[in-house]
Amino acid sequence: TQLLEQSPQFLSIQEGENLTVYCNSSSVFSSLQWYRQEPGEGPVLLVTVVTGGEVKKLKRLTFQFGDARKDSSLHITAAQPGDTGLYLCAGPLLGNAGKSTFGDGTTLTVKP
Amino acid sequence: NAGVTQTPKFQVLKTGQSMTLQCAQDMNHEYMSWYRQDPGMGLRLIHYSVGAGITDQGEVPNGYNVSRSTTEDFPLRLLSAAPSQTSVYFCASSARRGAEAFFGQGTRLTVV
Repeated sequence: TQLLEQSPQFLSIQEGENLTVYCNSSSVFSSLQWYRQEPGEGPVLLVTVVTGGEVKKLKRLTFQFGDARKDSSLHITAAQPGDTGLYLCAGPLLGNAGKSTFGDGTTLTVKP
Repeated sequence: NAGVTQTPKFQVLKTGQSMTLQCAQDMNHEYMSWYRQDPGMGLRLIHYSVGAGITDQGEVPNGYNVSRSTTEDFPLRLLSAAPSQTSVYFCASSARRGAEAFFGQGTRLTVV
């Protein structure tokens, strides 16, 4: 059973469009992280959200942590080809020291 | 800035062979983890360590051993390689629980 469910699994859009990807769980997380992974590379951290209801912005990317700390979303405004990659959410389960779990990811393709 | 260094980058093994994937970090991080990533899937935790001398199992530990004799090094041993262990392996380190994880570039392993 996957603790973090990401949707959609694949997303292909045109440059300039907006999109939202989701990360959901039935478990509570003390924090959630979003990573982007490019082919042949390891994931690189985009943001960490910690407080329920928190919203963080990173240029055209907006991250939100659910009030109950069980879900998160990533919204990209005016997507660009450089946004193409695998987006992963991850987090340590509340009370579980050292162990982080990852979702299966959303593969985003932005066409010029 | 070396960060997390994994070796080798590519490896082909025959079924039944054993080998060790090396991982070293120079950031003095306490937490280190090994993940495997299969096509279309996120990262699944194999083993992790919260400090030198301390290791624990992740989601998919069978067929793998780890040890953590120093803060810097966290090798992953495949005891008797099987085709099901064909995957990309990532090592990661972080300063503390829930903090940003820094990933190596991965080891692409094929077992024939």
